Amino acid sequence: DQQVKQNSPSLSVQEGRISILNCDYTNSMFDYFLWYKKYPAEGPTFLISISSIKDKNEDGRFTVFLNKSAKHLSLHIVPSQPGDSAVYFCAASGEAGKSTFGDGTTLTVKP
Amino acid sequence: DTAVSQTPKYLVTQMGNDKSIKCEQNLGHDTMYWYKQDSKKFLKIMFSYNNKELIINETVPNRFSPKSPDKAHLNLHINSLELGDSAVYFCASSQVIGQPQHFGDGTRLSIL
Repeated sequence: DQQVKQNSPSLSVQEGRISILNCDYTNSMFDYFLWYKKYPAEGPTFLISISSIKDKNEDGRFTVFLNKSAKHLSLHIVPSQPGDSAVYFCAASGEAGKSTFGDGTTLTVKP
Repeated sequence: DTAVSQTPKYLVTQMGNDKSIKCEQNLGHDTMYWYKQDSKKFLKIMFSYNNKELIINETVPNRFSPKSPDKAHLNLHINSLELGDSAVYFCASSQVIGQPQHFGDGTRLSIL
């Protein structure tokens, strides 16, 4: 049972445009959501998070939106840069603080 | 100065062998984790320790045994390695459980 899903395995955008990465979850007990970025041969790096009491959190070029009724969150990157090319994982935690990860979306930003 | 370091980076071994992967964090975090990333790229939690105490133990074969000698270290010992154990294993730490985690760069385990 995959509780966190990223339905797009890959996304390609032009430099300077907006990248939108999506994530859906099924467990209504999740109360904290995180996005991580991963480069090849490295571990994931924390990017941004949002608590379930909020619907938006912004940090520079990165904004995470949470729609609890739809059990959906998205990560917006604007403007996208070639250095943003990486695999992006969403994660959700709730019961006992255990994090459940999605299977990642590979973002390619073309110059 | 690496925050979460795990060794070795690569591990190639024969089926049936016993091997260990070491992990150390210098962030002063209380919680450490082991994840397995399989060929489908899923990151699945295996274990979590808080202050040397096991707090998460997912459905993992008992051939896998974590050991935390102190809160800065969480090692993973695997007995009787099987082909299906081939994966990338990531160690991570966080100040408290559920909070953003710092990951090591992974150990790629290949079973021949």
